[in-house]
Amino acid sequence: QGQLQLSGPGLLKPSQTLSLTCAISGESVSSEGASWFWIRQSPSRGLEWLGRTYYRSKWYNDYAVSVKSRITVNPDTSKNQFSLQLNFVTPEDTALYYCARGNYHFDYWGQGTLVTVSS
Amino acid sequence: EIVLTQSPGTLSLSPGERATLSCRASQSMSSTHLAWYQQRPGQAPRLLIYGASSRATGIPDRFSGSGSGTDFTLTISRLEPEDFALYYCQQYYSSSWTFGQGTKVEIK
Repeated sequence: QGQLQLSGPGLLKPSQTLSLTCAISGESVSSEGASWFWIRQSPSRGLEWLGRTYYRSKWYNDYAVSVKSRITVNPDTSKNQFSLQLNFVTPEDTALYYCARGNYHFDYWGQGTLVTVSS
Repeated sequence: EIVLTQSPGTLSLSPGERATLSCRASQSMSSTHLAWYQQRPGQAPRLLIYGASSRATGIPDRFSGSGSGTDFTLTISRLEPEDFALYYCQQYYSSSWTFGQGTKVEIK
């Protein structure tokens, strides 16, 4: 089983862009057997899937309807990692953010990082 | 979107007792796409069961999953001290993943 290491700022102001990176060890981000996910957890919304990127001869993405207009998930093959960008954040985006590997389910998760949106 | 409802919200039991956790889907779903996770305080969720009944690597056999259609169950045959935690079910359908709201298993 591989490992995922999450990094990124923990404090943002409303309307700013949330940017997180998840570094993968033990497997390639281009592996055709995996998808790479962003998930968040908050007391008000519980566990919420946000988006994924995956490679099946070419790159694909899927995004949750709740954030579809604001989210981008990108792979970085040169660094074997993937990223989350969430635009125009509000206090409702305050949550513990996780990256995870999976397909129908999530095999393993990064450690999580708390992101707070406050003026 | 398939909504998952877990019950009970909290289960108060003693070590050695049997725990039965329920997850009900808002519509019939493939059992292949139902999973269970354990989350201890300060930790990320850990995969326990996938495909409704298959244990993930390294998961003790006191954990078992069952069910089909709209009703799924996670059973812990004899609770160990480290099993007192939060448990979530999760489903996949049509490029969308959702989680139940969780069941807390606490020490009585």
